Amino acid sequence: AQKVTQAQTEISVVEKEDVTLDCVYETRDTTYYLFWYKQPPSGELVFLIRRNSFDEQNEISGRYSWNFQKSTSSFNFTITASQVVDSAVYFCALSEAMNRDDKIIFGKGTRLHILP
Amino acid sequence: KAGVTQTPRYLIKTRGQQVTLSCSPISGHRSVSWYQQTPGQGLQFLFEYFSETQRNKGNFPGRFSGRQFSNSRSEMNVSTLELGDSALYLCASSLVGTGFPGNTIYFGEGSWLTVV
Repeated sequence: AQKVTQAQTEISVVEKEDVTLDCVYETRDTTYYLFWYKQPPSGELVFLIRRNSFDEQNEISGRYSWNFQKSTSSFNFTITASQVVDSAVYFCALSEAMNRDDKIIFGKGTRLHILP
Repeated sequence: KAGVTQTPRYLIKTRGQQVTLSCSPISGHRSVSWYQQTPGQGLQFLFEYFSETQRNKGNFPGRFSGRQFSNSRSEMNVSTLELGDSALYLCASSLVGTGFPGNTIYFGEGSWLTVV
């Protein structure tokens, strides 16, 4: 069965520190897609990245980077030199190509506090 | 281009009343899905509409219903409100169906519903 686990419920770091948010997924499909979303206090989930199962290259976008490792079924997200504006809830999600339920499965989210 | 627009943003209702929430998807997007977010349960899928047809439904009682219009705008309705219905209701839109491989969904800011 498909499942997304974000074991870290809440993380607090001091500004400028690096922080990594963990995401572990379960799927039987060989073709699937992984996503990260950011939810600031306003409520909207902001799309950050999509990665397909055949592309294991790590991705870097500014201070954000993603480490996709199929061997450990993980898709971790690192924020470098964190800023207060990074404070939000971050969701990891999974979509399978052969998904009978035809929906995206979200993890429970990790609440990130960046302390000034 | 304009993002996903949800109205109203905040509302307070009394137990037993009904509520209708509205969602305008990104222009050109034909799929609209709805999610309920509560602190205890995280993001839970309610239903998805594509070209005016409900394609998928989550595990919610029949008090939760929705529809989609020919212009892709969608409404969801909750009848006989209960205290436990207090939540953030998020609408998301996408070009094609939510479960389509690699399809990215984009969220609105949500409607904060408080039932008293």
